[in-house]
Amino acid sequence: AQSVAQPEDQVNVAEGNPLTVKCTYSVSGNPYLFWYVQYPNRGLQFLLKYITGDNLVKGSYGFEAEFNKSQTSFHLKKPSALVSDSALYFCAVPRGGYSTLTFGKGTMLLVSP
Amino acid sequence: GAGVSQSPSNKVTEKGKDVELRCDPISGHTALYWYRQSLGQGLEFLIYFQGNSAPDKSGLPSDRFSAERTGGSVSTLTIQRTQQEDSAVYLCASSPGTSGAWETQYFGPGTRLLVL
Repeated sequence: AQSVAQPEDQVNVAEGNPLTVKCTYSVSGNPYLFWYVQYPNRGLQFLLKYITGDNLVKGSYGFEAEFNKSQTSFHLKKPSALVSDSALYFCAVPRGGYSTLTFGKGTMLLVSP
Repeated sequence: GAGVSQSPSNKVTEKGKDVELRCDPISGHTALYWYRQSLGQGLEFLIYFQGNSAPDKSGLPSDRFSAERTGGSVSTLTIQRTQQEDSAVYLCASSPGTSGAWETQYFGPGTRLLVL
């Protein structure tokens, strides 16, 4: 079964510092990988996705993610964190050949001023 | 343009009552998804509609849950005889339905259901 794992429940970072939110995957075949963000009392917003090609994927709000096949990882990164980046972040992978998504448990990112 | 909308935004009901949750997808999107977000289970898939095909109901947790999609647009998720463990945020998403597994899904704001 296709799955993703987010090993950290929470990540704390100071504003202006780089941030990383970790995700590892277990899929058969070529992986399609997604990152979504959820702000308080809001639905999920798409950040970026990896389909094929460049291992570094750039997305919304200055976020990027690095696909690493040897480490089966797809970590979300941002060079300089903002307080407004504080939110819940989900990594996701399609179930089998379908477009329905299986999500990780989520990582809460807290950026302190 | 307009995004995915859901109603009501909040619903409080008594155990044993039936509830209906509504989702209006982005215009032109043929794929529609329901997910549930709860503290204990995280984000889990419930049901998926694609065009006129039979829906994928494999994620529905019990036969108390059902969903329909009328005219290929609006969808209603119905929970019969609600239980306290049904308390969760129900999220609806839609996507164009043309690109398969790598399509981006666009989510609505969710309906927060509380069963007393």
